[in-house]
Amino acid sequence: LAKTTQPISMDSYEGQEVNITCSHNNIATNDYITWYQQFPSQGPRFIIQGYKTKVTNEVASLFIPADRKSSTLSLPRVSLSDTAVYYCLVGVGTYKYIFGTGTRLKVLA
Amino acid sequence: GAGVSQSPSNKVTEKGKDVELRCDPISGHTALYWYRQSLGQGLEFLIYFQGNSAPDKSGLPSDRFSAERTGGSVSTLTIQRTQQEDSAVYLCASSFNLPSGWRGGLSYEQYFGPGTRLTVT
Repeated sequence: LAKTTQPISMDSYEGQEVNITCSHNNIATNDYITWYQQFPSQGPRFIIQGYKTKVTNEVASLFIPADRKSSTLSLPRVSLSDTAVYYCLVGVGTYKYIFGTGTRLKVLA
Repeated sequence: GAGVSQSPSNKVTEKGKDVELRCDPISGHTALYWYRQSLGQGLEFLIYFQGNSAPDKSGLPSDRFSAERTGGSVSTLTIQRTQQEDSAVYLCASSFNLPSGWRGGLSYEQYFGPGTRLTVT
């Protein structure tokens, strides 16, 4: 079964760019990568999704190298409200999904 | 429009009792997922429905767990003879089905409900 690992925690200051990497070995050819944000006592909330190279939306960018064994979520200019736990979600084959171990981001004033 | 809803929001039960957790997906979403998040832990995938069918049930933690979906809509996760280790937040999500050969473009994100917090005493 694929393992999906992330750094446990990260601290950043307001206005800085934050990059969170997820390692997902054994990701299958057709599988995609999604990142979610979770606040306490809430369900995960979608941030961005991609299959390869770079994807950008209004809140984040997602970088995926050619081998697709990892991905990096980039949050530009974080604010205090970005303090949350961030998870990558990877499809690992037919009908199976694995969340990453989660990264607790703390944004400091 | 309405999001994914789950009921009950909280459930306290005694060890050995059966519980049913309900999920109402977003209308039109053909895919439905169940996850579990134990206290202070990460998210664990349980099962995926494509329409009313769950092609792979191996993610369910034990044979005390079962899930069904009817009418391509509502899903129920049932836990029989609950144990204390079943205490967790059970999350449901729904999405459009990922088309075969998808290579990016349209987003097929999973929309999550608020979860059901299950406490087994």
